[in-house]
Order: sequence, then C-alpha cells, then structure tokens
Amino acid sequence: EAQVTQNPRYLITVTGKKLTVTCSQNMNHEYMSWYRQDPGLGLRQIYYSMNVEVTDKGDVPEGYKVSRKEKRNFPLILESPSPNQTSLYFCASSSRLADTQYFGPGTRLTVL
Amino acid sequence: RKEVEQDPGPFNVPEGATVAFNCTYSNSASQSFFWYRQDCRKEPKLLMSVYSSGNEDGRFTAQLNRASQYISLLIRDSKLSDSATYLCVVFSGGYNKLIFGAGTRLAVHP
Repeated sequence: EAQVTQNPRYLITVTGKKLTVTCSQNMNHEYMSWYRQDPGLGLRQIYYSMNVEVTDKGDVPEGYKVSRKEKRNFPLILESPSPNQTSLYFCASSSRLADTQYFGPGTRLTVL
Repeated sequence: RKEVEQDPGPFNVPEGATVAFNCTYSNSASQSFFWYRQDCRKEPKLLMSVYSSGNEDGRFTAQLNRASQYISLLIRDSKLSDSATYLCVVFSGGYNKLIFGAGTRLAVHP
C-alpha cells in the first residue's frame, strides 16, 4: 500500500529536550516536505527536499533541521524545542512539487 | 495580504444543499490549483485539481477565474460525509512554491 508514515503520532516533551520525528514514504517520490499546521494559519512549509542530499528552507525553518540521506526518509529534528513549536506536523511526498501531495497521518507535538 | 485567502466559515448547511467556496490568490503567475479535503485532526487529501476549463467530479465542480484570480468549489446535494475542511492550494512555478490556504470548514447537518 502506497503511504507516508510518521512517528511518533503524539509527543509531549519539555523545553530544550532534543527530538526527532521520522517520516518515510514507499512511493519512490523525489520530493518530500515538512509542514506545520496551526489554527487560522493553514499549512506552513518548514523544509523541503528535492532529492537525496538536497534540502532547502521553507517559510518557517527557524528551530528545525532536516536531513535526506535516503530517498524514502526525511526526518525532522528539533534540537532545542520551545513552546512555540507546539503544533500539528505533517510530512508529505510527491513525484514533483506541482503533483499530488501525499501526506503522513500527522504528529501532534506539545512542548511544555 | 495573504497569498491564498479563504473564508474560514463554518458553512453550516442541511443535507441536500448546494454550497460554494471561493479562494483568492495574489500571485498572477500561479500555474496550478487544487482543492484538498481535511477531516478533523487527519491529514489533507487531494479532492481535485482545478483546470482552466473547469472540471467536475460527481457532485463536485471546480472552476478557475484567472482574470479575477480566484478558484471556486461547488458541492451539490451535500452529504453528512462532506463535513470537513476544504483547503485551497496554489502552485507558483516562478517561486517553485506550493501555498495552502487556511481552509474553509463545512458542516452538513441532517
């Protein structure tokens, strides 16, 4: 089954404790991205990757890191989480940027 | 001004009603347009792409007006299962960017 998986689905953590949210897709897509969704603001892109070892900042990259060592995986790293990073996070993949985006189920993160 | 704007709603309509959403975009060079559906606390999923000539998929009709820079989604004969948030998405090739609207919430009641 074609899918995008994310883990964990829910996470409550404390300020400053490094965390990683994993994202994996099995569709051989080149394009992957991370979004955060906050009430009234819609989906905002954090980082994206056009291919292995190619990543770039989206609209709200501050406080986040990513890596793309393999085509299927695109982890999101919060080195020192802060309460303003409390949000719903989605990973997405597609063949090309303008094609259908396939989203993971989301990760609800709370930073205390 | 936001790059993609939608009326947040909620639109509360009875079953069987026809409802229409509009979405405006600011970049006249935008090239591709989409409607996504998002159920509460779930991931967005593509509902339909929007073509210049307009397109229809069952009870759903999408239209594009480039001159006025808006796209629309019409839902006929609303079902309870149509209750969701509908996201307008615009792709700008010049900026190589996909922009999501904040969404319009639809609630269909019996």
